[in-house]
Amino acid sequence: EAGVAQSPRYKIIEKRQSVAFWCNPISGHATLYWYQQILGQGPKLLIQFQNNGVVDDSQLPKDRFSAERLKGVDSTLKIQPAKLEDSAVYLCASSLDYTSYEQYFGPGTRLTVT
Amino acid sequence: AQSVTQLGSHVSVSEGALVLLRCNYSSSVPPYLFWYVQYPNQGLQLLLKYTTGATLVKGINGFEAEFKKSETSFHLTKPSAHMSDAAEYFCAVTGSGGYNKLIFGAGTRLAVHP
Repeated sequence: EAGVAQSPRYKIIEKRQSVAFWCNPISGHATLYWYQQILGQGPKLLIQFQNNGVVDDSQLPKDRFSAERLKGVDSTLKIQPAKLEDSAVYLCASSLDYTSYEQYFGPGTRLTVT
Repeated sequence: AQSVTQLGSHVSVSEGALVLLRCNYSSSVPPYLFWYVQYPNQGLQLLLKYTTGATLVKGINGFEAEFKKSETSFHLTKPSAHMSDAAEYFCAVTGSGGYNKLIFGAGTRLAVHP
């Protein structure tokens, strides 16, 4: 089966610009996660969707970050405006549902903010 | 709140030597514990997980880990390192709240030299 797809793989923007990342989870997976992985740190959950509903966005900086999963399949994460400290790898993961403990990760999008 | 501490951000071993990567956790509820591996420019891949039952769990690529409740540890081992094991390894614990949020450690980079 196809894995979790993410695009773009790399993005370089200037601070105060906006950027969007796209994720397509494994077919049939109801739960989708966005993580931020800053260099030298472990991934940190930004937002978790169950189908098209948000179940956890407690660590999402809502003044600049937004995410949606309108049809319960693919998802978009947006940053507007970007700051230097947003430079990181943004990982998308999916699982069968929220009771499943196995998450499958995409390759990530490496964002550099200059 | 749940947390994970990985002792040693960098570990270096010789090919054929024992691999030991340390992970300690804190959790207010019975934890589910995971080890993930990340190869350069790739997403995370699940190595093994402990949920309930046998405390010694075996994973892919010859890795295993033992859950020790009294020591709040979940160390990862492999009897004989291979060059292909060079990667970054993350220990994770499920968070509270019922939606299987993963809390990751900062990671340990494993280098294997001839």
